[in-house]
Amino acid sequence: DTGVSQDPRHKITKRGQNVTFRCDPISEHNRLYWYRQTLGQGPEFLTYFQNEAQLEKSRLLSDRFSAERPKGSFSTLEIQRTEQGDSAMYLCASSFSRESSYEQYFGPGTRLTVT
Amino acid sequence: GNSVTQMEGPVTLSEEAFLTINCTYTATGYPSLFWYVQYPGEGLQLLLKATKADDKGSNKGFEATYRKETTSFHLEKGSVQVSDSAVYFCALRNTGTASKLTFGTGTRLQVTL
Repeated sequence: DTGVSQDPRHKITKRGQNVTFRCDPISEHNRLYWYRQTLGQGPEFLTYFQNEAQLEKSRLLSDRFSAERPKGSFSTLEIQRTEQGDSAMYLCASSFSRESSYEQYFGPGTRLTVT
Repeated sequence: GNSVTQMEGPVTLSEEAFLTINCTYTATGYPSLFWYVQYPGEGLQLLLKATKADDKGSNKGFEATYRKETTSFHLEKGSVQVSDSAVYFCALRNTGTASKLTFGTGTRLQVTL
């Protein structure tokens, strides 16, 4: 069990550029979540997948954001035309539906800085 | 909608002091409650959880009791250590679903010798 991994760990980009982050969940986990955490705040839910299906999206997920999980394994989160307000830590978590507790295991996050 | 309110930090304590971090919540139905911890440079880790009223979650000397009548889930530890220095997040999830966690803003704990 290698845990949830995220890549890159840090990303600096200029306003207006597109960025893509990757999340690799724990291998047997069929549920995958994305959260965003800004400085001094708790994580806020963005979206959630069960296998390859995107089942819930937050209103925080504007049309510049898109997430995919094409084969039900890793997931990508793309932000188009980045804005300074997108600067945050982007967290990925995974869980296994057959565990009654649905415990979510978090990755280390990708820190995005938009200049 | 769901919300979680935590006491503001930072909380600074001497080693072996008693810790309380307050957490109250607003939710529909009967949520599950969690405490997560984030050590410097690391990801969020589940510290403890409680899934129904009057349940007590415990781990690593930390405890929290699910109080439905006061909608609270306060975190306590009898004797903190320097290694407990971290940010602590209270969170909830609606029962019976596998969807989102709703987090509080976090409380930074600093423990000094």
